[in-house]
Amino acid sequence: SQTIHQWPATLVQPVGSPLSLECTVEGTSNPNLYWYRQAAGRGLQLLFYSVGIGQISSEVPQNLSASRPQDRQFILSSKKLLLSDSGFYLCAWSEKTYNEQFFGPGTRLTVL
Amino acid sequence: DAKTTQPPSMDCAEGRAANLPCNHSTISGNEYVYWYRQIHSQGPQYIIHGLKNNETNEMASLIITEDRKSSTLILPHATLRDTAVYYCIVRGGLTGTASKLTFGTGTRLQVTL
Repeated sequence: SQTIHQWPATLVQPVGSPLSLECTVEGTSNPNLYWYRQAAGRGLQLLFYSVGIGQISSEVPQNLSASRPQDRQFILSSKKLLLSDSGFYLCAWSEKTYNEQFFGPGTRLTVL
Repeated sequence: DAKTTQPPSMDCAEGRAANLPCNHSTISGNEYVYWYRQIHSQGPQYIIHGLKNNETNEMASLIITEDRKSSTLILPHATLRDTAVYYCIVRGGLTGTASKLTFGTGTRLQVTL
């Protein structure tokens, strides 16, 4: 069966510091991968998606970037965090053929 | 993707059926209705999806009206663990491309004793 991992689970970072969040998927190959952010009390916002290694599409302009160095690895990064980057970051995967997305446990980021 | 409208909150007694409505009056012919839920501080969980026929799985049933302009998610015997925000999402059934789900604010279901 497939599993999706995210780490760290929680993170507190100062403004201006770098960020790296990692997501890995097991039990499937060539998945679509997604990064979402959920600000406090709000719905999920799609940030990036990837249909293959090295292929990244950005949904909204922002202070963040994403990379997919391996088939089942998706990384969310920032060079300098802003207060507005605080939120709950969720990684998800889907198969190419079927449209259901399966979400990881999330990373709660607080920027101080 | 078509827009959906859901009530902001609902209550349900434990053991009773929870019926969560969703309006999607601008849905087009190739768009599916998806339901997810998010328990506090966890990632969303896929529940069920359908195109035009009613669907049932181990978690829930999905009833789609004949004109497809609305649907209802049914949790047949709600438990306290079903307390969550439930999202109704409409999107095209494209394959081979990224599935971009647009989450609204959903319905906060509170199951009570």
